[in-house]
Amino acid sequence: QSVLTQPPSVSGTPGQRVTISCSGSTSNIGRKPVDWYQQLPGTAPKLLIYGNDRRPSGVPDRFSASKSDTSASLAISGLQSEDEADYYCATWDDNLNGPVFGGGTKLTVV
Amino acid sequence: QLQLQESGPGLVKPSETLSLTCTVSGDSISSSDYYWGWIRQPPGKGLEWIASMFYRGSTYYNASLKSRVTVFVDTTRNQFSLDLSSVTATDAAVYYCTRHRLGSSRLDPWGQGTLVTVSS
Repeated sequence: QSVLTQPPSVSGTPGQRVTISCSGSTSNIGRKPVDWYQQLPGTAPKLLIYGNDRRPSGVPDRFSASKSDTSASLAISGLQSEDEADYYCATWDDNLNGPVFGGGTKLTVV
Repeated sequence: QLQLQESGPGLVKPSETLSLTCTVSGDSISSSDYYWGWIRQPPGKGLEWIASMFYRGSTYYNASLKSRVTVFVDTTRNQFSLDLSSVTATDAAVYYCTRHRLGSSRLDPWGQGTLVTVSS
């Protein structure tokens, strides 16, 4: 069972906007920045968002994120077929002294 | 450009020790204040942090695995390694190496991952 809670799946149609939620606690999201990872099928996770809402170079601005209290969310606008992937939220947990992850959300573009 | 590459046997027998190495290229493993970490992902499942180490020896472990995990850095070879003892079928996973700062879950970059199967 993952420390952070994400919905197992979300879906959307091309061009639509979808959001993925991530819920934690005061020992993790409540104290530390949240990062998001995109894992395309058969590949390693890739840093998508860091520091709650910052995009690494090369990540389209269709991807955005926010954090409030002990929850965070990732938004993908202008959905494209190549966005089909698993998305993971992560943060540091002060009680566990290490990074913790959500269980992952599978995005399907129908 | 920093790159990480995992290596090690793809098949380990139950009760034996899984040993993996991550080779760092593009930067020195001892040149900065980064921790070097291991993450695993069982087939069809999510990500699990295993352990992270600093080149000077400071190490953090996932409490659920700590009794079976040994991690170490070889600065001369610019590598860091993972030993996981007494493996069972539940240890079968893709194992990734990565880099992060202490207190941060910003893991970047990642190695491509190496699949480890546990079977006799």
